[in-house]
Amino acid sequence: GQQLNQSPQSMFIQEGEDVSMNCTSSSIFNTWLWYKQEPGEGPVLLIALYKAGELTSNGRLTAQFGITRKDSFLNISASIPSDVGIYFCAGNYGGSQGNLIFGKGTKLSVKP
Amino acid sequence: NAGVTQTPKFRVLKTGQSMTLLCAQDMNHEYMYWYRQDPGMGLRLIHYSVGEGTTAKGEVPDGYNVSRLKKQNFLLGLESAAPSQTSVYFCASRPLGGYEQYFGPGTRLTVT
Repeated sequence: GQQLNQSPQSMFIQEGEDVSMNCTSSSIFNTWLWYKQEPGEGPVLLIALYKAGELTSNGRLTAQFGITRKDSFLNISASIPSDVGIYFCAGNYGGSQGNLIFGKGTKLSVKP
Repeated sequence: NAGVTQTPKFRVLKTGQSMTLLCAQDMNHEYMYWYRQDPGMGLRLIHYSVGEGTTAKGEVPDGYNVSRLKKQNFLLGLESAAPSQTSVYFCASRPLGGYEQYFGPGTRLTVT
């Protein structure tokens, strides 16, 4: 079946640093979504991307829909302690009733 | 709006017992989903529904049944619980015309 490879698996950074993570697939996707999950909570939608090359921001977060349509990137600028959590990418390739495929997540730890 | 709610928040079952998890959404969304989340495995789709009265199998449906008798509710049943079903279960919903799914807070289930 379809798979998304998300990297890195985990990151340990200092407060104030910028963060980059990405998601890749061997197949073309028509939608990319980025979620954040905090401990004990459900995933919360951060950014949705619908067009190849699209660059969208949400505060300090910026995500891009790769031009090849096989990847997406999420950047967090000037990280703060409340950025801690697991970030998931998700994508739809046009099949299965619009269902999403999820990456396994990037766990972000921020040291004050 | 409460969004997506799940009942209960926590549950402990003995092997062989049965239970039902309830998901409710007040956003008038057509689509609803049940996922399980296990360490290192990301989110895996169990069953989903494209509308009231309809259900379909996802990636890992074995051992689970679902029902969608009302548009706002999606029930997940375990007829005979097994330790392998120990997991965190998330419900999500999405509207027609978009791929953005909105998640509930989760149910942590332990089967001993």
